[in-house]
Amino acid sequence: AQSVTQLDSQVPVFEEAPVELRCNYSSSVSVYLFWYVQYPNQGLQLLLKYLSGSTLVKGINGFEAEFNKSQTSFHLRKPSVHISDTAEYFCAVMAPLTGTASKLTFGTGTRLQVTL
Amino acid sequence: NAGVTQTPKFQVLKTGQSMTLQCAQDMNHNSMYWYRQDPGMGLRLIYYSASEGTTDKGEVPNGYNVSRLNKREFSLRLESAAPSQTSVYFCASSERFRGGAAGRSSYEQYFGPGTRLTVT
Repeated sequence: AQSVTQLDSQVPVFEEAPVELRCNYSSSVSVYLFWYVQYPNQGLQLLLKYLSGSTLVKGINGFEAEFNKSQTSFHLRKPSVHISDTAEYFCAVMAPLTGTASKLTFGTGTRLQVTL
Repeated sequence: NAGVTQTPKFQVLKTGQSMTLQCAQDMNHNSMYWYRQDPGMGLRLIYYSASEGTTDKGEVPNGYNVSRLNKREFSLRLESAAPSQTSVYFCASSERFRGGAAGRSSYEQYFGPGTRLTVT
């Protein structure tokens, strides 16, 4: 069984400040981890993914995440946020299903609110 | 490429009415999915189709049916809508890409813009 915990439902931050959105996971199989972003009234867009290899993963829009196996975490970071980063962020763990299908188990989301 | 498209964008139903949500993708992906998104619960998988001609239940299939019409299209049907089905519905598609680091496959799901459904 897999699960994802996003401890912070909301994170307020000032523009140009750094931010970290926390994600912890549990998985009984090899880990594939993802961060998705959802802007208001839109679908989900992939920010970055971890499959294997380097534990520091870089994504779009200046975001990065670090995979920490011992702490079962995959926290998302950005050194300097912009107003346009205001959105809902979802961490997800993936397990292969049959054929080419995969199952994403999502966390409950973190609302990032950037203000001036 | 339009990616994943969904129709309608918004819908209001009365309890007991039926409707079908449509989804199409133009990325030639084998696998397609339906999720629902509820406040404070993230996204939950309703049904998926690993390939054309196959469908399987996800976490929350009760009250829904699906049809994989062809490789491009995957529809979700509510036969008798209930207020508990008020939600935002997302369709997604994916493909498995081999050749990642250490030979691992890459699975990425691409999402549509969603359908906001209200059942009164």
